[in-house]
Amino acid sequence: EDKVVQSPLSLVVHEGDTVTLNCSYEVTNFRSLLWYKQEKKAPTFLFMLTSSGIEKKSGRLSSILDKKELFSILNITATQTGDSAIYLCAVIRTTTSGTYKYIFGTGTRLKVLA
Amino acid sequence: ETGVTQSPTHLIKTRGQQVTLRCSSQSGHNTVSWYQQALGQGPQFIFQYYREEENGRGNFPPRFSGLQFPNYSSELNVNALELDDSALYLCASSLEDNYGYTFGSGTRLTVV
Repeated sequence: EDKVVQSPLSLVVHEGDTVTLNCSYEVTNFRSLLWYKQEKKAPTFLFMLTSSGIEKKSGRLSSILDKKELFSILNITATQTGDSAIYLCAVIRTTTSGTYKYIFGTGTRLKVLA
Repeated sequence: ETGVTQSPTHLIKTRGQQVTLRCSSQSGHNTVSWYQQALGQGPQFIFQYYREEENGRGNFPPRFSGLQFPNYSSELNVNALELDDSALYLCASSLEDNYGYTFGSGTRLTVV
């Protein structure tokens, strides 16, 4: 059965701290892994990772994928209160019929204290 | 401001009724997918439409059905509503092979 597991489930840090969020997966026919930030309703796209070992960066956020060990991490440096959100990891796999299936983890709830 | 709009924002229905949720995709996007997000859970993939054809489906029963129109807007229909269908329903669109989906703000459905 396809599985995407995120850890920790929740995290409380202080402004300025660095956090690392984890996403491990077990899916067949992996295609891509995506990270999203969800604050109120609409998740906001952060990164899409397809190749192993290539770090993607956007400001204080960075992410990397390890397709051998089947996991990805999302790093946030110098955290700010505005980083408080649920961070979702999603994996896209192809099916035997050539269509796509998307599996989300349950998310990591990050709270950054001033 | 997101380019994907969903309507209505909130909805209350009675068990056994049918509901239609609507989604206008971001301009230029031809791929739309729908998700169900229960409280405290990650979004669960319902299905995806590409150029008016369904090209991916999650583990949802046939009473969950959809449509994509020539202008790439989309509908999610749920028949014979059950209490467990109460959730936030998210629509997301993307352009061709760009999987960086843009999400709408969702429709909060409550079944009583």
